[in-house]
Amino acid sequence: DAGITQSPRYKITETGRQVTLMCHQTWSHSYMFWYRQDLGHGLRLIYYSAAADITDKGEVPDGYVVSRSKTENFPLTLESATRSQTSVYFCASSEIGDSVDTQYFGPGTRLTVL
Amino acid sequence: AQSVAQPEDQVNVAEGNPLTVKCTYSVSGNPYLFWYVQYPNRGLQFLLKYITGDNLVKGSYGFEAEFNKSQTSFHLKKPSALVSDSALYFCAVRELGFQKLVFGTGTRLLVSP
Repeated sequence: DAGITQSPRYKITETGRQVTLMCHQTWSHSYMFWYRQDLGHGLRLIYYSAAADITDKGEVPDGYVVSRSKTENFPLTLESATRSQTSVYFCASSEIGDSVDTQYFGPGTRLTVL
Repeated sequence: AQSVAQPEDQVNVAEGNPLTVKCTYSVSGNPYLFWYVQYPNRGLQFLLKYITGDNLVKGSYGFEAEFNKSQTSFHLKKPSALVSDSALYFCAVRELGFQKLVFGTGTRLLVSP
């Protein structure tokens, strides 16, 4: 099905473990984004990518790593998870063109770090 | 730096009454403004956007928003609220030349029967 998917939808891990959250989109959008959603903060941008092999930091990049070897995938890795990274993570994509700036969001991954 | 403020954490309205969810913004140039809605356990869904042109923008599900440059506001409105409109609403801004969106903290809308 066309769209943007995230996996896993729920994840529980322990402090210090490495965790990778997956994001896949079928539209071939150029731009992809990772946000975290926390109460009182709304959505904050972690990293974004303008195209394959082009990534840039957002507002809160510390503790996270991204890669984009293929246009359709944009995984987010927590190299050594901390409790402060407990959050809901959303991936989004968008394209420059007629529908400029409309970001399409995935369903989210709820991550709990114990 | 661009920023967005949503001054109300929660808005309560009775079904059938008009609703307004407030948003003010700050950018150094011309703004691109957006409203998104989030239903429980779901991702954000695009509602509407202002790029240029008419100050009143119409969007999905009967929502509209009014752009006011002098007050730097972009309030979301609906003439008659439905219980199913109950959700979390986010205002966002993008500045010309930048691809990143900056989101507000969100306003929870509760529509009572």
